[in-house]
Amino acid sequence: NAGVTQTPKFQVLKTGQSMTLQCAQDMNHNSMYWYRQDPGMGLRLIYYSASEGTTDKGEVPNGYNVSRLNKREFSLRLESAAPSQTSVYFCATDALLDSNQPQHFGDGTRLSIL
Amino acid sequence: RKEVEQDPGPFNVPEGATVAFNCTYSNSASQSFFWYRQDCRKEPKLLMSVYSSGNEDGRFTAQLNRASQYISLLIRDSKLSDSATYLCVPAGNNDMRFGAGTRLTVKP
Repeated sequence: NAGVTQTPKFQVLKTGQSMTLQCAQDMNHNSMYWYRQDPGMGLRLIYYSASEGTTDKGEVPNGYNVSRLNKREFSLRLESAAPSQTSVYFCATDALLDSNQPQHFGDGTRLSIL
Repeated sequence: RKEVEQDPGPFNVPEGATVAFNCTYSNSASQSFFWYRQDCRKEPKLLMSVYSSGNEDGRFTAQLNRASQYISLLIRDSKLSDSATYLCVPAGNNDMRFGAGTRLTVKP
């Protein structure tokens, strides 16, 4: 039982390149989330998906797009990477939006943009 | 405004000490909370869920004070491995849930 799996774990990009961060869960959870965390800061929500087929913006959505491919997978895309997007990206899931259940996190993608 | 406020620390304590963190929250309707621990550059991991007035798990005790709107985490007999950042998170939908947490360093 892998829980929440993120790929890749590390990536270096050049400014202007695009890439997609993948997240998959085997917990049968309905809701999925993408966060970024900068050094010394808390997690900031980029986008979330309350259920399959829906996505919504979080606190810092600019420069990102997401796709909820199916119940298991939620991807985050950077169309034109910028140095300000250098960060650690975490995917998380929980059983249901607004529920009293905790989120479970993947082990992160460390992204550097030069 | 963040839904929760925590003292960022750092708290530097000797091994074996008892240490407590407080977390104040603004939404009086908040019913449940979670304490996560996060090691440097790693994902947050659930430490404890608090669905009523409190919870205890070994050396860790969480207490919820609804009248004063704070939740505390007490760690007894601190271990070196307890060094981490501790995050207080209210349950429910709010994109401001995660703060920077409280940094704890346990020293030999």
